[in-house]
Amino acid sequence: GAVVSQHPSRVICKSGTSVKIECRSLDFQATTMFWYRQFPKQSLMLMATSNEGSKATYEQGVEKDKFLINHASLTLSTLTVTSAHPEDSSFYICSASQDMDQPQHFGDGTRLSIL
Amino acid sequence: DQQVKQNSPSLSVQEGRISILNCDYTNSMFDYFLWYKKYPAEGPTFLISISSIKDKNEDGRFTVFLNKSAKHLSLHIVPSQPGDSAVYFCAASHNSGNTPLVFGKGTRLSVIA
Repeated sequence: GAVVSQHPSRVICKSGTSVKIECRSLDFQATTMFWYRQFPKQSLMLMATSNEGSKATYEQGVEKDKFLINHASLTLSTLTVTSAHPEDSSFYICSASQDMDQPQHFGDGTRLSIL
Repeated sequence: DQQVKQNSPSLSVQEGRISILNCDYTNSMFDYFLWYKKYPAEGPTFLISISSIKDKNEDGRFTVFLNKSAKHLSLHIVPSQPGDSAVYFCAASHNSGNTPLVFGKGTRLSVIA
Protein backbone atom coordinates (compact mmCIF):
# COMPACT_ATOMS: atom_id res chain seq x y z
CA GLY A 1 0.00 0.00 0.00
CA ALA A 2 0.88 3.67 -0.16
CA VAL A 3 3.59 4.71 2.28
CA VAL A 4 4.48 8.15 3.51
CA SER A 5 7.78 8.59 5.30
CA GLN A 6 8.50 11.47 7.65
CA HIS A 7 11.85 12.42 9.14
CA PRO A 8 13.01 13.11 11.80
CA SER A 9 10.67 11.46 14.28
CA ARG A 10 11.81 13.58 17.17
CA VAL A 11 13.68 16.86 17.56
CA ILE A 12 14.80 18.58 20.75
CA CYS A 13 16.55 21.89 20.28
CA LYS A 14 17.16 25.30 21.73
CA SER A 15 14.95 28.31 21.21
CA GLY A 16 15.89 30.23 18.07
CA THR A 17 16.91 27.15 16.09
CA SER A 18 15.38 26.42 12.70
CA VAL A 19 14.16 22.87 12.18
CA LYS A 20 13.46 21.13 8.87
CA ILE A 21 11.02 18.22 8.63
CA GLU A 22 10.84 16.06 5.51
CA CYS A 23 7.84 14.23 4.15
CA ARG A 24 8.26 11.71 1.34
CA SER A 25 5.81 9.63 -0.61
CA LEU A 26 7.71 6.38 -1.11
CA ASP A 27 5.81 4.54 -3.80
CA PHE A 28 3.64 7.13 -5.45
CA GLN A 29 3.75 10.69 -6.69
CA ALA A 30 1.87 13.33 -4.77
CA THR A 31 1.10 16.71 -6.29
CA THR A 32 -0.46 17.71 -3.01
CA MET A 33 0.69 17.03 0.53
CA PHE A 34 -0.78 18.31 3.76
CA TRP A 35 0.87 19.43 6.97
CA TYR A 36 -1.03 19.06 10.25
CA ARG A 37 -0.18 19.91 13.83
CA GLN A 38 -1.49 18.43 17.05
CA PHE A 39 -1.23 20.04 20.46
CA PRO A 40 -1.85 17.95 23.61
CA LYS A 41 -5.47 16.88 24.06
CA GLN A 42 -6.41 18.50 20.76
CA SER A 43 -7.24 17.14 17.35
CA LEU A 44 -4.98 17.18 14.33
CA MET A 45 -5.31 20.63 12.77
CA LEU A 46 -4.43 21.49 9.21
CA MET A 47 -1.59 24.00 8.94
CA ALA A 48 -1.05 24.20 5.22
CA THR A 49 -1.50 22.51 1.88
CA SER A 50 1.72 21.92 -0.01
CA ASN A 51 1.47 22.05 -3.79
CA GLU A 52 4.22 20.77 -6.05
CA GLY A 53 5.69 23.55 -8.12
CA SER A 54 3.68 26.35 -6.55
CA LYS A 55 3.26 28.19 -3.27
CA ALA A 56 1.75 26.49 -0.29
CA THR A 57 -1.69 27.47 0.96
CA TYR A 58 -1.73 28.32 4.66
CA GLU A 59 -4.64 28.10 7.08
CA GLN A 60 -5.75 31.17 8.97
CA GLY A 61 -3.49 31.90 11.90
CA VAL A 62 -0.49 30.01 10.53
CA GLU A 63 2.43 32.31 9.75
CA LYS A 64 3.83 31.52 6.33
CA ASP A 65 7.12 33.24 7.10
CA LYS A 66 7.61 31.10 10.19
CA PHE A 67 6.54 27.79 8.71
CA LEU A 68 8.27 27.55 5.35
CA ILE A 69 7.00 24.85 3.03
CA ASN A 70 8.83 23.65 -0.05
CA HIS A 71 7.34 21.03 -2.36
CA ALA A 72 10.17 20.77 -4.84
CA SER A 73 9.33 17.38 -6.30
CA LEU A 74 6.40 15.01 -6.64
CA THR A 75 7.68 12.88 -3.78
CA LEU A 76 9.06 15.40 -1.28
CA SER A 77 7.67 18.24 0.79
CA THR A 78 9.60 19.96 3.56
CA LEU A 79 8.38 22.05 6.47
CA THR A 80 10.92 24.37 8.09
CA VAL A 81 10.05 25.89 11.44
CA THR A 82 12.18 29.03 11.49
CA SER A 83 13.52 30.48 14.72
CA ALA A 84 11.49 28.03 16.76
CA HIS A 85 10.23 29.00 20.20
CA PRO A 86 8.80 26.89 23.04
CA GLU A 87 5.23 27.62 21.90
CA ASP A 88 6.06 25.88 18.60
CA SER A 89 6.58 22.62 20.49
CA SER A 90 4.03 20.23 19.05
CA PHE A 91 3.46 17.10 17.01
CA TYR A 92 3.81 17.82 13.28
CA ILE A 93 2.55 15.29 10.75
CA CYS A 94 2.24 15.18 7.00
CA SER A 95 -0.08 13.30 4.68
CA ALA A 96 -0.45 12.60 1.00
CA SER A 97 -2.92 10.94 -1.29
CA GLN A 98 -2.23 8.99 -4.48
CA ASP A 99 -5.19 10.54 -6.26
CA MET A 100 -8.63 12.04 -5.78
CA ASP A 101 -10.25 8.68 -5.10
CA GLN A 102 -7.76 7.51 -2.49
CA PRO A 103 -7.65 8.36 1.21
CA GLN A 104 -4.76 10.32 2.65
CA HIS A 105 -1.92 8.34 4.16
CA PHE A 106 0.10 9.77 6.99
CA GLY A 107 3.71 9.80 8.01
CA ASP A 108 4.62 8.82 11.57
CA GLY A 109 4.94 12.45 12.63
CA THR A 110 7.66 14.57 14.22
CA ARG A 111 7.62 15.43 17.89
CA LEU A 112 9.22 18.86 18.17
CA SER A 113 10.35 20.08 21.58
CA ILE A 114 11.86 23.55 21.87
CA LEU A 115 13.71 24.26 25.10
CA ASP B 1 -15.60 25.72 17.04
CA GLN B 2 -15.10 22.03 16.39
CA GLN B 3 -16.70 20.83 13.20
CA VAL B 4 -16.02 17.16 13.96
CA LYS B 5 -16.70 15.91 17.46
CA GLN B 6 -15.89 12.68 19.19
CA ASN B 7 -17.54 13.10 22.54
CA SER B 8 -16.18 9.97 24.17
CA PRO B 9 -12.47 10.31 24.95
CA SER B 10 -12.23 6.65 25.89
CA LEU B 11 -14.06 3.36 25.59
CA SER B 12 -13.42 -0.07 27.14
CA VAL B 13 -14.82 -3.22 25.60
CA GLN B 14 -14.41 -6.91 26.34
CA GLU B 15 -12.69 -9.03 23.75
CA GLY B 16 -15.19 -10.61 21.37
CA ARG B 17 -17.86 -7.96 21.95
CA ILE B 18 -18.81 -5.10 19.68
CA SER B 19 -17.03 -1.74 19.87
CA ILE B 20 -19.04 1.27 18.76
CA LEU B 21 -17.24 4.55 18.27
CA ASN B 22 -19.29 7.65 17.56
CA CYS B 23 -18.66 10.87 15.70
CA ASP B 24 -20.79 13.95 15.05
CA TYR B 25 -20.19 16.75 12.58
CA THR B 26 -21.67 20.17 12.10
CA ASN B 27 -20.72 21.12 8.53
CA SER B 28 -23.35 19.84 6.10
CA MET B 29 -20.90 20.41 3.22
CA PHE B 30 -18.79 17.45 4.32
CA ASP B 31 -19.34 14.57 1.92
CA TYR B 32 -16.54 12.15 2.69
CA PHE B 33 -15.82 10.61 6.05
CA LEU B 34 -12.93 8.48 7.24
CA TRP B 35 -11.80 6.58 10.28
CA TYR B 36 -8.14 6.36 11.19
CA LYS B 37 -6.49 4.24 13.85
CA LYS B 38 -3.39 5.43 15.68
CA TYR B 39 -0.91 3.53 17.81
CA PRO B 40 1.58 5.41 20.04
CA ALA B 41 4.59 6.85 18.20
CA GLU B 42 3.03 6.10 14.81
CA GLY B 43 1.02 8.16 12.37
CA PRO B 44 -2.69 7.54 11.83
CA THR B 45 -3.46 4.51 9.66
CA PHE B 46 -6.43 4.62 7.34
CA LEU B 47 -9.14 2.16 8.37
CA ILE B 48 -12.33 2.72 6.43
CA SER B 49 -14.22 5.50 4.68
CA ILE B 50 -17.70 6.33 3.49
CA SER B 51 -19.06 8.71 0.92
CA SER B 52 -22.16 10.75 1.67
CA ILE B 53 -24.06 8.92 -1.05
CA LYS B 54 -23.96 5.79 1.10
CA ASP B 55 -25.21 5.01 4.58
CA LYS B 56 -23.09 1.96 5.26
CA ASN B 57 -19.70 0.60 4.29
CA GLU B 58 -18.31 -2.68 5.50
CA ASP B 59 -14.79 -4.09 5.43
CA GLY B 60 -14.25 -7.29 7.36
CA ARG B 61 -14.77 -6.63 11.06
CA PHE B 62 -15.21 -2.91 10.49
CA THR B 63 -18.43 -1.21 9.46
CA VAL B 64 -19.07 2.51 9.21
CA PHE B 65 -22.60 3.87 9.34
CA LEU B 66 -23.56 7.35 8.21
CA ASN B 67 -26.73 9.18 9.21
CA LYS B 68 -26.70 12.38 7.20
CA SER B 69 -29.87 13.83 8.66
CA ALA B 70 -28.41 13.50 12.16
CA LYS B 71 -24.90 14.43 10.98
CA HIS B 72 -23.65 11.37 12.77
CA LEU B 73 -21.41 8.47 11.90
CA SER B 74 -20.26 5.49 13.83
CA LEU B 75 -17.63 2.79 13.52
CA HIS B 76 -18.53 -0.72 14.58
CA ILE B 77 -15.82 -3.27 15.26
CA VAL B 78 -17.02 -6.82 15.75
CA PRO B 79 -15.67 -8.97 17.21
CA SER B 80 -13.27 -6.68 19.06
CA GLN B 81 -9.72 -7.96 19.53
CA PRO B 82 -6.96 -6.81 21.90
CA GLY B 83 -4.96 -5.61 18.88
CA ASP B 84 -7.72 -3.12 18.16
CA SER B 85 -6.69 -1.14 21.24
CA ALA B 86 -5.64 2.24 19.86
CA VAL B 87 -6.86 5.80 19.41
CA TYR B 88 -9.48 6.13 16.69
CA PHE B 89 -9.91 9.41 14.83
CA CYS B 90 -12.94 10.41 12.84
CA ALA B 91 -12.23 12.77 9.93
CA ALA B 92 -14.30 14.56 7.33
CA SER B 93 -13.67 16.43 4.11
CA HIS B 94 -15.45 18.11 1.23
CA ASN B 95 -14.22 15.51 -1.18
CA SER B 96 -12.13 12.38 -1.28
CA GLY B 97 -8.37 12.29 -1.74
CA ASN B 98 -6.68 15.61 -2.17
CA THR B 99 -8.70 17.83 0.10
CA PRO B 100 -7.83 18.71 3.70
CA LEU B 101 -9.25 16.61 6.50
CA VAL B 102 -10.99 17.93 9.60
CA PHE B 103 -10.40 15.64 12.56
CA GLY B 104 -12.13 14.87 15.81
CA LYS B 105 -10.08 14.65 19.01
CA GLY B 106 -10.06 10.88 18.98
CA THR B 107 -11.42 8.06 21.14
CA ARG B 108 -9.07 5.72 22.96
CA LEU B 109 -10.37 2.16 22.64
CA SER B 110 -9.20 -0.47 25.08
CA VAL B 111 -10.15 -4.05 24.32
CA ILE B 112 -9.81 -6.16 27.42
CA ALA B 113 -8.93 -9.82 27.07
